Amino acid sequence: EIVMTQSPATLSVSPGERATLSCRASQSVSSNLAWFQHKPGQAPRLLISGASTRATGIPARFSGSGSGTDFTLTINSLQSEDFAVYYCQQYNNWPRTFGQGTKVEIK
Amino acid sequence: EVQVLESGGGLVQPGGSLRLSCAASGLTFSTYGMSWVRQAPGKGLEWVFSISGSGGSTHYADSVKGRFTISRDNSKKSLYLQMNSLRVEDTALYYCAKDGDLGPGEYWGQGTLVTVSS
Repeated sequence: EIVMTQSPATLSVSPGERATLSCRASQSVSSNLAWFQHKPGQAPRLLISGASTRATGIPARFSGSGSGTDFTLTINSLQSEDFAVYYCQQYNNWPRTFGQGTKVEIK
Repeated sequence: EVQVLESGGGLVQPGGSLRLSCAASGLTFSTYGMSWVRQAPGKGLEWVFSISGSGGSTHYADSVKGRFTISRDNSKKSLYLQMNSLRVEDTALYYCAKDGDLGPGEYWGQGTLVTVSS
């Protein structure tokens, strides 16, 4: 099983600032990595597929990068609606594993 | 408008069974894989089970091996999760999610709550 490790666990950011979230895989997942945003009481929302392709309707301030074992989600100019928990998920191998999540909170 | 709606959750005793359903509309269903993902109270997302568009291929997490089965009815645009021998640790909000062209989780439902307790 591929273990996905996200860091940091919690990120405190002021509105308008940039947030940088990290996701590391225990072995290569090529570019088969997705990022999701999850808010309490809501369904998770797909942000990024293929490590760097934004899903339909996702604002350009969200960007993903990386391949192999190291990935980054960058959120530029954080808006109030961006404070949430973010998960990475690899889909290169079964089982499809999630990271433990990074909570982005208001500083 | 795309809609994904789970149902079938509830309170069940340890060792009991439940069948979850997921109804999709407003999207192409039969050519895409579907998955169940759960979130235990206070925990993160956990992938549980996936099924291919045809239903001919399935994959599951070790934590549910031999206890849960997944199925789909493409004529009804529906996905199912049969859960047997339920354990306390299966308590979670269960989400249904549809794969997209580029990967998993293009569309999600709001979830259905399963509580396993005596």
